[in-house]
Amino acid sequence: AQKVTQAQTEISVVEKEDVTLDCVYETRDTTYYLFWYKQPPSGELVFLIRRNSFDEQNEISGRYSWNFQKSTSSFNFTITASQVVDSAVYFCALSLNTGFQKLVFGTGTRLLVSP
Amino acid sequence: GAGVSQSPRYKVAKRGQDVALRCDPISGHVSLFWYQQALGQGPEFLTYFQNEAQLDKSGLPSDRFFAERPEGSVSTLKIQRTQQEDSAVYLCASSSPGSEGQLFYEQYFGPGTRLTVT
Repeated sequence: AQKVTQAQTEISVVEKEDVTLDCVYETRDTTYYLFWYKQPPSGELVFLIRRNSFDEQNEISGRYSWNFQKSTSSFNFTITASQVVDSAVYFCALSLNTGFQKLVFGTGTRLLVSP
Repeated sequence: GAGVSQSPRYKVAKRGQDVALRCDPISGHVSLFWYQQALGQGPEFLTYFQNEAQLDKSGLPSDRFFAERPEGSVSTLKIQRTQQEDSAVYLCASSSPGSEGQLFYEQYFGPGTRLTVT
């Protein structure tokens, strides 16, 4: 079975602080995909990144960066110089590379960025 | 083109009523997923369609939940005799095989339908 754990329920930071959202996953499969989604108050899930299990290279996109470490089964997400618009619930998710690739989500981390 | 749309956006039902939630996927998308998101939780898989075929319904919580996609495009999630525990946001997502050799099919989510059972 697959499982995603986001231990941080809620994080509060002040604008311009850096913040890291943790994600730990479990799967017995060797081929899988990991994701981060953002869910603003409007409710729609916004895709941020996909990473496959064979690619452990870290990625940076603007103020966002992701650290994938297979040795610790973690896929952490860092926002640099946070902004109020970053306030949302962030979900980490996992899918296998077989079948129809349904997503298994974590419980989410609510990020509150205050001015 | 247009994204995934869902209607209604909000639905209030009295316990025991039947409800029907609609999903319009992105045109041409073969795959369609339904997820249930309880308050404060992550989305959980309910069921999957490939065209009109329902290939997996393992996530449906009870036989009161029924989904269909008769023509392989629009899908309806029906909940009979609603209970308070059915209160949640119901998300629809669609995806489609891309170019030949592509290994992963991106899921595009709709805005969800928030169901409140009183």
